[in-house]
Amino acid sequence: NAGVMQNPRHLVRRRGQEARLRCSPMKGHSHVYWYRQLPEEGLKFMVYLQKENIIDESGMPKERFSAEFPKEGPSILRIQQVVRGDSAAYFCASSPNWASIGYTFGSGTRLTVV
Amino acid sequence: TQLLEQSPQFLSIQEGENLTVYCNSSSVFSSLQWYRQEPGEGPVLLVTVVTGGEVKKLKRLTFQFGDARKDSSLHITAAQPGDTGLYLCAGAKETSGSRLTFGEGTQLTVNP
Repeated sequence: NAGVMQNPRHLVRRRGQEARLRCSPMKGHSHVYWYRQLPEEGLKFMVYLQKENIIDESGMPKERFSAEFPKEGPSILRIQQVVRGDSAAYFCASSPNWASIGYTFGSGTRLTVV
Repeated sequence: TQLLEQSPQFLSIQEGENLTVYCNSSSVFSSLQWYRQEPGEGPVLLVTVVTGGEVKKLKRLTFQFGDARKDSSLHITAAQPGDTGLYLCAGAKETSGSRLTFGEGTQLTVNP
């Protein structure tokens, strides 16, 4: 397992339910980034985390969305009370340090809200 | 307002043809990256350019960063069907740390 692992690959939730998306960074990478890709749109930055710290959450919606990267375990992007507009592909990327140029992306989680 | 404009949005060509994809902005970037994304997968980093005027070659792909670090181009020589995919440019600014701003991409289809 040399890459960024995201699970689940596909997630279906009914409106009002919670969605939990998980991301395990590459071995040796301590910086994690979450991006969202809406249909027919480019990737939009959501949040940047290091272990136990949120560094930049300027792209996160103010409500219902939260992210964490605990000391042990994967990074979690949590969406509460999902709505149809949350349907998108959510990508996680990792890098070894802040100054890294170029990310390694995971394969994404495709969230569908029905 | 899209910070990074990519053109063309769609490009369909025959195998063996050459093509150029553009990524333009009115903003200065400290570095610019190109990614290729296939359906159902995450973007894969192709190259990073950091110096104004820099040219990097990756087999049949040539990447150039504008002198003013506001724009970039990707040129593919003798395109092959395996080059088909979504090409994304992404810029990093010194003021925004590691956060990347992505263009909306160029969907390239190379027909055999």
